[in-house]
Amino acid sequence: KQEVTQIPAALSVPEGENLVLNCSFTDSAIYNLQWFRQDPGKGLTSLLLIQSSQREQTSGRLNASLDKSSGRSTLYIAASQPGDSATYLCAHSGSARQLTFGSGTQLTVLP
Amino acid sequence: GAVVSQHPSRVICKSGTSVKIECRSLDFQATTMFWYRQFPKQSLMLMATSNEGSKATYEQGVEKDKFLINHASLTLSTLTVTSAHPEDSSFYICSGEGAPGELFFGEGSRLTVL
Repeated sequence: KQEVTQIPAALSVPEGENLVLNCSFTDSAIYNLQWFRQDPGKGLTSLLLIQSSQREQTSGRLNASLDKSSGRSTLYIAASQPGDSATYLCAHSGSARQLTFGSGTQLTVLP
Repeated sequence: GAVVSQHPSRVICKSGTSVKIECRSLDFQATTMFWYRQFPKQSLMLMATSNEGSKATYEQGVEKDKFLINHASLTLSTLTVTSAHPEDSSFYICSGEGAPGELFFGEGSRLTVL
């Protein structure tokens, strides 16, 4: 059974710091890996999607990498801001559709 | 990006009643929609996959007679929690598939069963 693990479970940093969120998965057969943001009591906002053939994706201050051989993905956030505070979820897709989610990293950026 | 509208955002009901949650794709056609459940401080767990015009496929451990899913059109899927009990209280989120592998999520529905 596919398992997706996210470390750390919670992270608190001062504003302006660069930070890395980690995601590992057990199934090396991967279609894509996605990172989402979830604000309290809200749905999911897609941040970055890395296809199996790609190694990284960038959007603004966010950069996500994918290493299929080690079963790992990282989300790098540069120059963090209080507005970045949220829970970040990674999700592995082993087929075209079904996603297996990690338990998330709850990020707090302190002003 | 594409928009998925989910209603209601919050619902409180008495034990034993049924609750319907709607999920609409507003600017794309979703042949496939997924329903997830999320308990506090836990991640999303896939409940079922619904395809327009056919029966939903339920994940192991999810009671199909309790969680009725209807996907009658390419833009609407509904989840009905029948005879709800307090243990059904959770956050339910739907997602619609646009292009293969491209998923768009609704805002979620917080169900509280008293």
